[in-house]
Amino acid sequence: DVKVTQSSRYLVKRTGEKVFLECVQDMDHENMFWYRQDPGLGLRLIYFSYDVKMKEKGDIPEGYSVSREKKERFSLILESASTNQTSMYLCASSPMTGSIVSPLHFGNGTRLTVT
Amino acid sequence: SQKIEQNSEALNIQEGKTATLTCNYTNYSPAYLQWYRQDPGRGPVFLLLIRENEKEKRKERLKVTFDTTLKQSLFHITASQPADSATYLCALPSGGSYIPTFGRGTSLIVHP
Repeated sequence: DVKVTQSSRYLVKRTGEKVFLECVQDMDHENMFWYRQDPGLGLRLIYFSYDVKMKEKGDIPEGYSVSREKKERFSLILESASTNQTSMYLCASSPMTGSIVSPLHFGNGTRLTVT
Repeated sequence: SQKIEQNSEALNIQEGKTATLTCNYTNYSPAYLQWYRQDPGRGPVFLLLIRENEKEKRKERLKVTFDTTLKQSLFHITASQPADSATYLCALPSGGSYIPTFGRGTSLIVHP
């Protein structure tokens, strides 16, 4: 079974802090994704990466950056955390297949609170 | 870009009945549509994928249909059980990208 591991389940940070959310997958998947999930808004794509050192903006990239130095690890960075970034953050991975419709495998999320 | 609509009201049904959840989209027909299950405090888990040239897909007690004329997918759980209680999300590619965009999900509650 694919395992996507997010380093923290719960995180509390102060406004203005730099925050790192880490995600590791163990199935050699090419694609990795960061979503945030908020009540009433569903999952929204922040960034994704289809290869090492490659990244693409999703629907809501403002205030975030990412890093993918190794294939198995995809980090989400909040350069200066703000209260409106309080949310559940979900990392996912999927293989790159010819039809590029592979299902996403999600981690169990990091619930970030910014005070 | 696509707008994906799932009923925001929870669906309450009795154990043993068939649950039917709806996913509507507004624009072009996507190449595929996926359904996921999400339990509280957990990440979504993939259930089924249906392609645009498929009318129906089945997996055990689950069935998905895809009607490109109605711009709608239906997700059925037959002989539902309390353990099926969860939020169900549909996802489909949007805005010319292959990456899935998710609906907001519908909560299913199966009463014993």
